[in-house]
Amino acid sequence: EAGVAQSPRYKIIEKRQSVAFWCNPISGHATLYWYQQILGQGPKLLIQFQNNGVVDDSQLPKDRFSAERLKGVDSTLKIQPAKLEDSAVYLCASSPRGGRENTEAFFGQGTRLTVV
Amino acid sequence: EDQVTQSPEALRLQEGESSSLNCSYTVSGLRGLFWYRQDPGKGPEFLFTLYSAGEEKEKERLKATLTKKESFLHITAPKPEDSATYLCAVQAVTRRIVQGAQKLVFGQGTRLTINP
Repeated sequence: EAGVAQSPRYKIIEKRQSVAFWCNPISGHATLYWYQQILGQGPKLLIQFQNNGVVDDSQLPKDRFSAERLKGVDSTLKIQPAKLEDSAVYLCASSPRGGRENTEAFFGQGTRLTVV
Repeated sequence: EDQVTQSPEALRLQEGESSSLNCSYTVSGLRGLFWYRQDPGKGPEFLFTLYSAGEEKEKERLKATLTKKESFLHITAPKPEDSATYLCAVQAVTRRIVQGAQKLVFGQGTRLTINP
């Protein structure tokens, strides 16, 4: 079974520029997450989708971050304009089932963003 | 607010020297507690899910246990390849009718180094 795919693996941009990350979840997984992981910290949820609807975006800085999940499959996360403090690894994850069952999340390799 | 605290932040052991990692949590109602392993430059890899106090799960040299306030990850006779950051996360019960798997709230991780 193919895992969660993310691209690019690395990105370096200047502050105030924009950047976009792409994620392809495991086939058939209804729930998709974007997490931000700052060096030395645990992942922090930015946004959660169930199919193509947003379930939780309470910690997404909406003035600069946006995300969409078209047709309930692939997702993109965009930052515009980027700040120095956005330097982090952006992890995409997916879970197999909806509803209230306990489900583990499967993570991609992440995109390491450096803002200079 | 759900919180997860892991200790120690870093642990260095000799090969074969057994030890335990701690994960303390505060959550309104626990639906599940998850352990992940994260290697440098990679996304977290799922290890275990624990659902109720008293539950234990094992995988090779790892055993995870759960009480009402904390979880332990016991490492027996570790090998250098067990070196990684170990992340703990909780999934809370919510009164909201939310479709999809609930979000995971992560601790900051324990960086484990096993010297040969």
